Amino acid sequence: NAGVTQTPKFQVLKTGQSMTLQCAQDMNHNSMYWYRQDPGMGLRLIYYSASEGTTDKGEVPNGYNVSRLNKREFSLRLESAAPSQTSVYFCASSRDSSYNEQFFGPGTRLTVL
Amino acid sequence: AQSVTQLDSQVPVFEEAPVELRCNYSSSVSVYLFWYVQYPNQGLQLLLKYLSGSTLVKGINGFEAEFNKSQTSFHLRKPSVHISDTAEYFCAVTLTGNQFYFGTGTSLTVIP
Repeated sequence: NAGVTQTPKFQVLKTGQSMTLQCAQDMNHNSMYWYRQDPGMGLRLIYYSASEGTTDKGEVPNGYNVSRLNKREFSLRLESAAPSQTSVYFCASSRDSSYNEQFFGPGTRLTVL
Repeated sequence: AQSVTQLDSQVPVFEEAPVELRCNYSSSVSVYLFWYVQYPNQGLQLLLKYLSGSTLVKGINGFEAEFNKSQTSFHLRKPSVHISDTAEYFCAVTLTGNQFYFGTGTSLTVIP
């Protein structure tokens, strides 16, 4: 099993460009999450999907959109990238949203110039 | 919103020495607590979690943590560290099971 996979691993964008970060899990998990990790700030939740067909805002949703394409896939879209969105993005999944362990992908390092 | 404080951003310790990484949280209601470890260029892995029951929780790789409700703390300990324990450690708290709040992390460096 691959666990949680993310593409791409690295990306450089210019301000105003758009892109979609892809995430997939093969563990038949119901819940999926997107976080960003910034130096000195830990991880902050951007959006989550408690189950297929539902999405909810987390702590820092502004500037992002998400799509729960199916049970396996949860994508994060930046419509108009800004330098403040330079970060490392992690996708995670868990069996469900009742305090279960979250399994993390390897991350996407995004730089916005 | 919940908040988590990890007071020590960097902790150097000699190999085979004990270590304690501190975590405090702010909440007036019951929360659920986690410790994750992140090795360089990797995602996070769960070390241990406290949901209920015994306040002393044992995790993987010889780590344990003690939940102290009166002090709102959940400190992580290991009696004897190894070089391979060098990593970033994150404390996290959740009230609902959906929204997790992470601390800023503690970088543990084990010195040979």
